[in-house]
Amino acid sequence: KAGVTQTPRYLIKTRGQQVTLSCSPISGHRSVSWYQQTPGQGLQFLFEYFSETQRNKGNFPGRFSGRQFSNSRSEMNVSTLELGDSALYLCASSLESGSFLNTGELFFGEGSRLTVL
Amino acid sequence: TQLLEQSPQFLSIQEGENLTVYCNSSSVFSSLQWYRQEPGEGPVLLVTVVTGGEVKKLKRLTFQFGDARKDSSLHITAAQPGDTGLYLCAGAGRDDKIIFGKGTRLHILP
Repeated sequence: KAGVTQTPRYLIKTRGQQVTLSCSPISGHRSVSWYQQTPGQGLQFLFEYFSETQRNKGNFPGRFSGRQFSNSRSEMNVSTLELGDSALYLCASSLESGSFLNTGELFFGEGSRLTVL
Repeated sequence: TQLLEQSPQFLSIQEGENLTVYCNSSSVFSSLQWYRQEPGEGPVLLVTVVTGGEVKKLKRLTFQFGDARKDSSLHITAAQPGDTGLYLCAGAGRDDKIIFGKGTRLHILP
């Protein structure tokens, strides 16, 4: 079956602009979580959505937001981009919310690499 | 704040050698997972350890969960170039937020 699909794979923006990233989970998976990966900070949890509701949120400013649609596809938006937002943004899907806690597996996409100039 | 500290940060060894990487915390985790990430790809789950003292083997990879469930190790026997990648440990924090270590970047020289 198809894996997690993230678009776009690469994008370049300038400071102050906004960006929207898309994630299509594995068919049947209802939970989507987002992560920011940078060389300095590693993988950091942004938020998790389940059945169109934000279930959990990491410690990121309000410029980072997301949503989930009825077909489980998810988008994340970053407004007023800063240089420090340059990173690989990874999306992961799982069968149920909190799957991780039940020894479930996160299935990651290949990521969207954002460069802010 | 719950943290997962991974060591070493970087490791470069010859093919055929053995190695161990570590994932440590001052907090107790109900379970820990290990992922491997290759360049240009997302992390892929290797194993989940749940019980304190548990040892799991995946071919040449041996994973151990500490008795107190605060630490874990990954041992690779006879490393091969295909083992090259970023190894990440992850755990579910008290508030259900998923926490990742910063990873060990492993390079196996042929």
